Amino acid sequence: KNEVEQSPQNLTAQEGEFITINCSYSVGISALHWLQQHPGGGIVSLFMLSSGKKKHGRLIATINIQEKHSSLHITASHPRDSAVYICAATTQGGSEKLVFGKGTKLTVNP
Amino acid sequence: DSGVTQTPKHLITATGQRVTLRCSPRSGDLSVYWYQQSLDQGLQFLIQYYNGEERAKGNILERFSAQQFPDLHSELNLSSLELGDSALYFCASSVRGGGYTFGSGTRLTVV
Repeated sequence: KNEVEQSPQNLTAQEGEFITINCSYSVGISALHWLQQHPGGGIVSLFMLSSGKKKHGRLIATINIQEKHSSLHITASHPRDSAVYICAATTQGGSEKLVFGKGTKLTVNP
Repeated sequence: DSGVTQTPKHLITATGQRVTLRCSPRSGDLSVYWYQQSLDQGLQFLIQYYNGEERAKGNILERFSAQQFPDLHSELNLSSLELGDSALYFCASSVRGGGYTFGSGTRLTVV
């Protein structure tokens, strides 16, 4: 079993829909990251969370430490949101290396 | 531009060869991480350097090695290349307790 699990693996939505991607983890973490990877390959860090909720534009990330669960929400989705969204955890300990989920491929159709 | 510079962007080489990937971290970041992204394994941690010293090691093959120089740039050396080493190699940097910044990656194709 992976330390970081994401669902769904693939998600297709119509423009304007509200989208939720889920992430659960089984290890102690110091932070939870949401990353975005476009077809060109580059990775952009969207959020780093250790508690509560963060919002940036149409993106919202939440984390529940007790339940070891995080969600990424996209409101009013747009075709340009089409990308792979990756959940990653910074595990507790000396190193701040990331452990990754397998990603969610999101396609938003016009 | 994320502030993390990786070169080259693309590399095509033959089996058995040796290549060097280079990374310059974002200004002020002392930690450099190397990750490998392959189709079957996803993103995996290879190695971390912090201010010139090796901090953590992941699933890095013995044929691979890395170092971080006094100016904080880092190099990942891959030798005796095999077809299975074809992947995207990402460098990322961070400041302790802060967020990550990723480079644009080096796409390595071994033929």
